[in-house]
Amino acid sequence: QVQLQESGPGLVKPSETLSLTCAVSGYSISSGYYWGWIRQPPGKGLEWIGSIYHSGSTYYNPSLKSRVTISVDTSKNQFSLKLSSVTAADTAVYYCARFGWADAFDIWGQGTMVTVSS
Amino acid sequence: DIQMTQSPSAMSASVGDRVTITCRASQGISNYLAWFQQKPGKVPKRLIYASSSLQSGVPSRFSGSGSGTEFTLTISSLQPEDFATYYCLQHNSYPLTFGGGTKVEIK
Repeated sequence: QVQLQESGPGLVKPSETLSLTCAVSGYSISSGYYWGWIRQPPGKGLEWIGSIYHSGSTYYNPSLKSRVTISVDTSKNQFSLKLSSVTAADTAVYYCARFGWADAFDIWGQGTMVTVSS
Repeated sequence: DIQMTQSPSAMSASVGDRVTITCRASQGISNYLAWFQQKPGKVPKRLIYASSSLQSGVPSRFSGSGSGTEFTLTISSLQPEDFATYYCLQHNSYPLTFGGGTKVEIK
C-alpha cells in the first residue's frame, strides 16, 4: 500500500523559506511516476506547485517558479519542497501526491498546514 | 498555460437529484481530465481520471465524459455523502491546472 507523509514546520516567518518533506512508503520513487506538491489556502481551491521525476527533472507553476525548488532523495525515498521569501499569502495546507500522466494524482498525503506569521 | 473554467461554482441540490458539473479547458486536452471530491478538512479524493475512468471503489453513480475542451461530471442520484466540493484537473500538460471548484450543498 503506497503512502505519502508530509513533514515540516507548521509556522514560518515572513521572508523566510518554507521547507517540507514527503516520505514515500510502499513504492520506490525510482520506479517511476512524478511526485508533486499541491497547496490549498484556507477556504480556497487547489493550486499545483510543482512536480519532480525520479531522475530529478522538475516542473513548476509559473506563478511560483522564481521561489520554488523541489528535490528528490531516492536513497531515502522522499522528495522535498522549498518555497522562499514567503508571505501570508503562502499560508495553506500543503499536500504531496503521486502523479502519472495517464491517471493524474492518484495517491495523496494527509496534508500539512503551514502558517506564515511573525 | 491551460485555464480550467468550472461551473457552477456552487449549487444546491436534493438527495436523489441528478447533478451535472462542467469543466471547460481553454485549449484541447484530449481526455486528460480528472475529477476530485473534497469534504471539509479532508484530503481530495480522486473520483475519475482520463475523463471517464472511474477510480476503483467509487460508486457507479459517478460518471465522467468529454474530450477536447468540454467535460462533465455527473452524479446520477445524489446521496447524503456526496455533499462536498468537486474539482477538475487537466493532466495533459505542465503546468497542471485545477478548476476553481464546485460546492454542492443541500437544498
